[in-house]
Amino acid sequence: ETGVTQSPTHLIKTRGQQVTLRCSSQSGHNTVSWYQQALGQGPQFIFQYYREEENGRGNFPPRFSGLQFPNYSSELNVNALELDDSALYLCASGDRGGEREAFFGQGTRLTVV
Amino acid sequence: RKEVEQDPGPFNVPEGATVAFNCTYSNSASQSFFWYRQDCRKEPKLLMSVYSSGNEDGRFTAQLNRASQYISLLIRDSKLSDSATYLCVVGAARSGSARQLTFGSGTQLTVLP
Repeated sequence: ETGVTQSPTHLIKTRGQQVTLRCSSQSGHNTVSWYQQALGQGPQFIFQYYREEENGRGNFPPRFSGLQFPNYSSELNVNALELDDSALYLCASGDRGGEREAFFGQGTRLTVV
Repeated sequence: RKEVEQDPGPFNVPEGATVAFNCTYSNSASQSFFWYRQDCRKEPKLLMSVYSSGNEDGRFTAQLNRASQYISLLIRDSKLSDSATYLCVVGAARSGSARQLTFGSGTQLTVLP
């Protein structure tokens, strides 16, 4: 096991609602990245946090936002949910800037109806 | 054109077969290279890092050709337990100092008894 935990594991939301997903990173890791994985696709980079600041962002709209806390845990917030937001959301922790491989949590499966 | 492209498969092979996966990437500034394995409805897990000198881990051999921007994975003597989706992953510096991991869409492998 990687030591990266995500909650909840499954979630169903209605279009237009807001959702918060949580991630606890592996001990000793100060970088957290979030990915969205649609069915049949590889994970897509949303953004990365290092020492509580956003440290890079993929091609996602501003309604995707995040936080990192002093203990390096992190949240992903998505506002105004759309049906296409239905996906597996993966959190990965690593060392500074993701120099090496990323270690993934088990993911949160979000369904927007 | 996708930044990381893989054969989509599926590859259906008998036990004991040798199977090869190929991957190309478009960002010449890429600095790190990996193969991840993802079981159905689970998170991706690191299979191996890939180096220019090539590297081997038991039945698995990975090769990197920076000039051709090409990565490969060879699985020898395939086992039923090798059935999974194999993700080609490339890391490169992005905005800020983040090393963003870019994933291919994955190649699905099924090893048949």
